[in-house]
Amino acid sequence: EAGVAQSPRYKIIEKRQSVAFWCNPISGHATLYWYQQILGQGPKLLIQFQNNGVVDDSQLPKDRFSAERLKGVDSTLKIQPAKLEDSAVYLCASRNSGTPIEQYFGPGTRLTVT
Amino acid sequence: GENVEQHPSTLSVQEGDSAVIKCTYSDSASNYFPWYKQELGKGPQLIIDIRSNVGEKKDQRIAVTLNKTAKHFSLHITETQPEDSAVYFCAAGNRDDKIIFGKGTRLHILP
Repeated sequence: EAGVAQSPRYKIIEKRQSVAFWCNPISGHATLYWYQQILGQGPKLLIQFQNNGVVDDSQLPKDRFSAERLKGVDSTLKIQPAKLEDSAVYLCASRNSGTPIEQYFGPGTRLTVT
Repeated sequence: GENVEQHPSTLSVQEGDSAVIKCTYSDSASNYFPWYKQELGKGPQLIIDIRSNVGEKKDQRIAVTLNKTAKHFSLHITETQPEDSAVYFCAAGNRDDKIIFGKGTRLHILP
């Protein structure tokens, strides 16, 4: 079974530029999460999707971050404009609603904002 | 909302010795407590979890204990091996689909 795929793996941009991250969850997983992991900290939930609907985006800085999940499969997370404090690893995870426990994480995208 | 505290932030143990990582949580409604291992350049991977109706769970060299009264839970790794070196995260949640992570413990296994 293929795992959660993310791209790109690394991205370096200047502040005020825009960036987009892509995630392909495990096939059949209805729930998809985006987390932000700042160096030395645990993952922090940004947004949770159930199929193509948003379940929780209370921690998403909506003035600069946006996310969508087309057709309930792939998802993109966008930052526009980026700030220095956005430097972090962005993790995507997915979960099958039929198995209520484990979230499967992708390898993450490491973003550096200069 | 839920807050999870994790200690220590760094832990070094001799190969073959045991390692213990402790976490506390704030929301008494939390009933699901997973532990994740994160290796360099990879995403977190679930290694063991426990629910609030269980006090202890063991899987080979890894065990987790839960004290709901004190709102703390711990990860125990026995007979540590070099491949156990990684960052470990505890988490807590009151729904199966949403969890809050601690800040992590970097475990070093010394030869």
